Amino acid sequence: EAGVVQSPRYKIIEKKQPVAFWCNPISGHNTLYWYLQNLGQGPELLIRYENEEAVDDSQLPKDRFSAERLKGVDSTLKIQPAELGDSAVYLCASSLSQGAGELFFGEGSRLTVL
Amino acid sequence: GESVGLHLPTLSVQEGDNSIINCAYSNSASDYFIWYKQESGKGPQFIIDIRSNMDKRQGQRVTVLLNKTVKHLSLQIAATQPGDSAVYFCAENRYGGSQGNLIFGKGTKLSVKP
Repeated sequence: EAGVVQSPRYKIIEKKQPVAFWCNPISGHNTLYWYLQNLGQGPELLIRYENEEAVDDSQLPKDRFSAERLKGVDSTLKIQPAELGDSAVYLCASSLSQGAGELFFGEGSRLTVL
Repeated sequence: GESVGLHLPTLSVQEGDNSIINCAYSNSASDYFIWYKQESGKGPQFIIDIRSNMDKRQGQRVTVLLNKTVKHLSLQIAATQPGDSAVYFCAENRYGGSQGNLIFGKGTKLSVKP
């Protein structure tokens, strides 16, 4: 069974440019999460989806970050415009449902903003 | 402020020895705790979890201990192997039942010497 798939694995952009990350969760997993991980830190939740509904986006910086999960399967996280401080790893995770057990993480998308 | 933290940022052990990784949490309302392992360039991988109605749980070569009196969590790895080298994160669920509200600590880097 395929795990959580993310792309791109690496992205280097100049500040003020837009960037988008894509995530395909494990088949059948209704809950999808986007986390931000800074170097040497633990992951921090940005947004959580239950099917196509964003049920917790309180930590998402909405002035420049947006996310969507239109059909309740794959999801896209966008940053526009990117700032130097956005350099980090963006992790996607999925689980069967809220509170249903472990989260399965993808390998992450490493963003470098120059 | 409230946080999930770690006593030691790095831990170096000899192959074959037992490892103990510690974690302190500050919110007595947290009722679910998880340990994740993260290898370089990969996403976090679930190791073991424990609910607050337990004080010990064992897996394959790993044991998690929970001391609610002092709000302390530990991960014990028996017969540590080179493949155990990674960063280990503890995470707590502060709002009961929803893994979307997992709060991660900063991590402990475990290095296994051959």
